[in-house]
Parts: sequence; C-alpha cells; structure tokens
Amino acid sequence: DAGITQSPRHKVTETGTPVTLRCHQTENHRYMYWYRQDPGHGLRLIHYSYGVKDTDKGEVSDGYSVSRSKTEDFLLTLESATSSQTSVYFCAIMSRGSTDTQYFGPGTRLTVL
Amino acid sequence: AQKVTQAQTEISVVEKEDVTLDCVYETRDTTYYLFWYKQPPSGELVFLIRRNSFDEQNEISGRYSWNFQKSTSSFNFTITASQVVDSAVYFCALSEAIGNAGGTSYGKLTFGQGTILTVHP
Repeated sequence: DAGITQSPRHKVTETGTPVTLRCHQTENHRYMYWYRQDPGHGLRLIHYSYGVKDTDKGEVSDGYSVSRSKTEDFLLTLESATSSQTSVYFCAIMSRGSTDTQYFGPGTRLTVL
Repeated sequence: AQKVTQAQTEISVVEKEDVTLDCVYETRDTTYYLFWYKQPPSGELVFLIRRNSFDEQNEISGRYSWNFQKSTSSFNFTITASQVVDSAVYFCALSEAIGNAGGTSYGKLTFGQGTILTVHP
C-alpha cells in the first residue's frame, strides 16, 4: 500500500462544467503523475510533477491543468469538461531508491454527459 | 519516442493451461525500466515486476515468469498452470530512468494497450 488516495472515486458531470480531481499521498514522494485509461489505449500520461510547484505536460494534456502547492496533494482540473474526457483517471507516485517504481491510486471514474 | 506493443488484445484459456503474454517495446534510451502491472476486475493497478535494461536475467515468482530479451526488444510474461484468479487485464510498460536526457527525464511510463486474460474453470 503506497498510501495514495483519490477523490472523488466516482463523478458524473455535465459538459462545460469544471471538475477537479484530487490525489493525496502520505509518504512524501517527490514524483507524482496523472494518467487516464481508455479502452484500446492502455494508460496515457496527462501531467506529472517533480516537486512542489514543478509540473509538466504529458502525452494527452490538452484540456487539463494541474497544481501542486504541497508535496502530498496533486490536483487535476478539467476547466470545461467534454464528453471525450469521460475516462478512468489514475494518480501515481514514484517510489525512488532501488526500485524507481510507480504505484497507483484506486482511480476515479469520471463520466461527462 | 517510446512505444510499447501488446499484440494480443484478448486471450482465453482453460484453468491449468500455461499462457504467455507478449510485450515488444521501442526506445532509444540505453537505460530504461520495464514493468508489468495487473488490473483485476476490481479496477486497481497492481505492480508485478520491474526490470532494469542492464539485467537480462529471467525471473520467476511462483507461477509467474518473465523473459527479457534485449535482442528482440521483448519482455514476455508467462503464467504457468493458470487459475481463474489470474483473470485480469495485464499491462506492459516502459519508463526512462530518472536522470536520462540530461536530467530532464522524470520516469514517465509508456503503457501498452493491455491484454485481457480470461481463465475459464
């Protein structure tokens, strides 16, 4: 258990509304990531963070923004949700040291109507 | 750019059969890591194994084994004597080592499309 929680776990929203997903970790990991999972695509990186206030874009960042004002929280915001953003969103942390392995949160299922 | 291909979209086997899940990758990095994750029907992603690009030794963990061959850029996963509990989606993934590309690499994962494994009783 890497001490990662995501909230909310499920959300249904309407097109055009803003949505913020939260990832919270308890083990002071420096690196955090947001991925989305869609059928036929596996998981794709949206944004990542390599420290407080240090973030960058991933492969599918259009329509998303992130913020990391403290080590334990990494927020993903959909400024104006679209139906194409209906997906399952996973947050991950990188456990450094000898393993350099990413561990994932439980996921958030987002439906945009 | 990195790429991971899992050519098998779905595999169906009967319990106790052996099954191999294929993974082929592309990267220009000399130092990288390969991973397998399992996603059971409950939806969470479970880490199974990590392999360093410099370590081509095969690994066995119980009924699971992994064959890493740099010559063919493959990292295949075999389940011996499959069980119903092995039914899941399995993902192969590739990451750069943190510190690659002049220190601008941040361990980002590139996933394959996933293989749905169904084990029938």
